Amino acid sequence: DIQMTQSPSSLSASVGDTVTITCRATQGIGDALNWYQQKPGKAPKLLIYGASTLQSGVPSRFRGSGSGTQFTLTISSLQPEDFATYYCLQHNGYPRTFGPGTKVEI
Amino acid sequence: QVQLVQSGAEVKTPGASVKVSCKASGYTFTDYWIHWVRQAPGQGLEWMGWVSGNSGGTNYAPKFQGRVTMTRDTAISTAYMELNWLTSDDTAVFFCAASNWNAKNGFDYWGQGALVTVSS
Repeated sequence: DIQMTQSPSSLSASVGDTVTITCRATQGIGDALNWYQQKPGKAPKLLIYGASTLQSGVPSRFRGSGSGTQFTLTISSLQPEDFATYYCLQHNGYPRTFGPGTKVEI
Repeated sequence: QVQLVQSGAEVKTPGASVKVSCKASGYTFTDYWIHWVRQAPGQGLEWMGWVSGNSGGTNYAPKFQGRVTMTRDTAISTAYMELNWLTSDDTAVFFCAASNWNAKNGFDYWGQGALVTVSS
């Protein structure tokens, strides 16, 4: 199985900050990586697919980059509605695997 | 608009089975797979497998192989996930999601989740 790790597991930030979340795969997955945002009691929401393509309707302050085994999600100018948990998902190998999540707190 | 509407919350006893449904609308059901994802209380997301909306073919995560069955009924655009031999560790919210992630086309829609509680 391809294991996904995320760092940090949680972070504290303020409105207006720029935050970076890293996701690493135990083997190369090309660009087969999605980023999701999840708020309590809600379904995950797709932010980035193909490692770097912004999903339609998602603000441009979200940016994804990376390929192979290391990926980053950068949120610029953090807004109040961005406080949530973020997950990466690899869809290169089976089983598909999510990272353990990064909780972004105020 | 695309919608995935899941069945309601269920309470089951250990050893029982649960069948969760996911009714799709707003897109061509046979064009996409339906994935199932489990989330235990306060925990992360866990991919369980997918069922093809077209062929009905499946791919299950090894952890659930032998205990899960994913099916679909194209006539009513509904997918199902049945999980057998439930234990307390199966207490979770189960999400369905319509997508072919490998297509990298941004088509990715989720149901609202179905809470399954396993308790004696």
